[in-house]
Amino acid sequence: AQTVTQSQPEMSVQEAETVTLSCTYDTSENNYYLFWYKQPPSRQMILVIRQEAYKQQNATENRFSVNFQKAAKSFSLKISDSQLGDTAMYFCAFMKLTSNTGKLIFGQGTTLQVKP
Amino acid sequence: DSGVTQTPKHLITATGQRVTLRCSPRSGDLSVYWYQQSLDQGLQFLIQYYNGEERAKGNILERFSAQQFPDLHSELNLSSLELGDSALYFCASSLQAGTDTQYFGPGTRLTVL
Repeated sequence: AQTVTQSQPEMSVQEAETVTLSCTYDTSENNYYLFWYKQPPSRQMILVIRQEAYKQQNATENRFSVNFQKAAKSFSLKISDSQLGDTAMYFCAFMKLTSNTGKLIFGQGTTLQVKP
Repeated sequence: DSGVTQTPKHLITATGQRVTLRCSPRSGDLSVYWYQQSLDQGLQFLIQYYNGEERAKGNILERFSAQQFPDLHSELNLSSLELGDSALYFCASSLQAGTDTQYFGPGTRLTVL
C-alpha cells in the first residue's frame, strides 16, 4: 500500500521570501503522479502543481516549483516570493497511474502561514 | 472555480438520520470521486465512479453508498448517521479514470448533532 508523509505540521514564512514544504512517499509502483493541493481558509481544494513520475524534469507553475527525487521518494514544494494569499494548508498526494482507478492518497498536510 | 458543484454547502442533522450529498462534475468529465476530510482521519478516499460504474472503493462504511447517474452527476448517501460522521465531504472529477488530474468541488460540511 502507498503512504504519503508530510513531516512538517506547521510552517511560517515572511512575505516575499521562499519556503519549501517536504513530502515523502512510499510505493513499489513505477508509474504514478504526484500532486500538491492547496486548501485556503475557504476549504476549497485547489490544484497547485502536478508531477508525472516518468518525467525527470521538475514541474513549475509560476512561483511554485517541485524538487522530485524519484529514487529517494521525495517530492518537495518550493514557493518563491511568498504572498499573503499563499496562507493555506498544503497537501501532498499520490496517484497510481492506471487505466481504471485514480484514487488520491493524501499526506497529513502542512499549514503554511505567510506573515506580512 | 473548478467547475465541480456540490450541494448543499452545509448540512446539520441528528444522529440516526439519513442525508444525500449531490455532486455535478465538470463538463465532459466522466469520473467522479468522493473524499471525506475529518480532523482525526485527514483526507480519505471513499469511492469512485466512472461513466456510471463503480470503479474503486476506499474506506467507505457500509452505512454509506453512492451512485452516478446517466447525466454523470453523483450522489453520496449517508445513513444511520453518527457523531463521528461529521466531516467535510468533497467530490472531485476527472476526464478519465486513473490518468487525469482531479478537480475538487467546494465540499459539503456535514454536522451530526
